[in-house]
Amino acid sequence: GAGVSQSPSNKVTEKGKDVELRCDPISGHTALYWYRQRLGQGLEFLIYFQGNSAPDKSGLPSDRFSAERTGESVSTLTIQRTQQEDSAVYLCASSYRTGNEQYFGPGTRLTVT
Amino acid sequence: QQQVKQSPQSLIVQKGGISIINCAYENTAFDYFPWYQQFPGKGPALLIAIRPDVSEKKEGRFTISFNKSAKQFSLHIMDSQPGDSATYFCAAIWTSGSRLTFGEGTQLTVNP
Repeated sequence: GAGVSQSPSNKVTEKGKDVELRCDPISGHTALYWYRQRLGQGLEFLIYFQGNSAPDKSGLPSDRFSAERTGESVSTLTIQRTQQEDSAVYLCASSYRTGNEQYFGPGTRLTVT
Repeated sequence: QQQVKQSPQSLIVQKGGISIINCAYENTAFDYFPWYQQFPGKGPALLIAIRPDVSEKKEGRFTISFNKSAKQFSLHIMDSQPGDSATYFCAAIWTSGSRLTFGEGTQLTVNP
């Protein structure tokens, strides 16, 4: 079946603008994760959704970052008032349930100018 | 501490050689240790994973060795091929938790 998809694949925005990134998880996967990958670095956890439970937002770096998920489907990550340090690849992953293998999408490369 | 430390940062191996990447962790609550392979412009792809109740797991040319007492685990790529050239990440998670904790990554280059 289809894997995790993300859109857009690339996004260039001006400093101070808001951006919205989208993730479509694998059908039937109840858990969804967002990570950030800065150039040449490992992945940094941002937020986690599991079914209808309250999300784990403990990795969000500031209150400019927020994410939503509708049921067990699409998720959007919103970054308000973007800063240059927000430039990174934002990766979404999903798993059948918590603790299972996580499958990653191709990412959205965000460049803040 | 939830760190996972990975080494080396980069590795160059000749075709047919053995590539070895090492990771060390601190949190003894971790109970699942996956390795991910990432090609440029792509998301990480799960390569192989191990749980701490075994000391070794082999899948084709890829082997994970796990040393629970030392809190270390390593990836061995036998008969390395140019197509294996990618960035490799080790990771750790406790399966009742949520987040994967990743190492910093190793950029592997296999020369033909």
